[in-house]
Amino acid sequence: QVQLVQSGAEVKKPGASVKVSCKASGYTFTGYYMHWVRQAPGQGLEWVGRINPNIIGSNYAEKFQGRVTITRDTSSGTAYLELSRLKSDDTAVYFCARGRGFNYGYLDYWGQGTLVTVSS
Amino acid sequence: EIVLTQSPGTLSLSPGERATLSCRASQSVGSNFFAWYQQKPGQAPRLLIHGATNRATGVPDRFSGSGSGTDFTLTISRVEPDDFAVYYCQQYGDPPPVTFGQGTKVEIK
Repeated sequence: QVQLVQSGAEVKKPGASVKVSCKASGYTFTGYYMHWVRQAPGQGLEWVGRINPNIIGSNYAEKFQGRVTITRDTSSGTAYLELSRLKSDDTAVYFCARGRGFNYGYLDYWGQGTLVTVSS
Repeated sequence: EIVLTQSPGTLSLSPGERATLSCRASQSVGSNFFAWYQQKPGQAPRLLIHGATNRATGVPDRFSGSGSGTDFTLTISRVEPDDFAVYYCQQYGDPPPVTFGQGTKVEIK
């Protein structure tokens, strides 16, 4: 069965960087895009970006350009989200999710989420 | 980018009632690249509908999606206790990127 297992909660200071991992299993990792979506406390869903695990290619939401990097390790089937120059409003649960379908795609399997807290 | 506006913000219903959730896009969503998700507290979202009308694997047939262009609807024919949650719409058409609506909370009346 498809599973996405994310790394544990992080606490960071403003200005620092954070790197969250998402290990995929139960399907061919290189066959599907991996997306990252975040959710601030009590708020809705916000798309961060995606990576094509088969080739070196990522797309990011405009508001995160220059601060976000999504990478992958095909040998371990793991995707990574790195966010730099953290601010307090980056405090959120970050989800990885598998992309399906055409264009940017819908998200059919999700990780359990990783809480990133930014606080001085 | 395409902005999605969901209504109502909160829907108060009794079990067995019909739920109608709406999502309006700021411009036409091409080829019905449209999805709906359910999210319960402390959990990840769960895919319900993709391609505007296609139920995801394992989703009960009381959930249905309809619409095209700029107006989309999620209907729950008879709400069950397990259905009280927040529902989000998502578009994945052109122009990119992916955007979500702000959510509709379905609560027990």
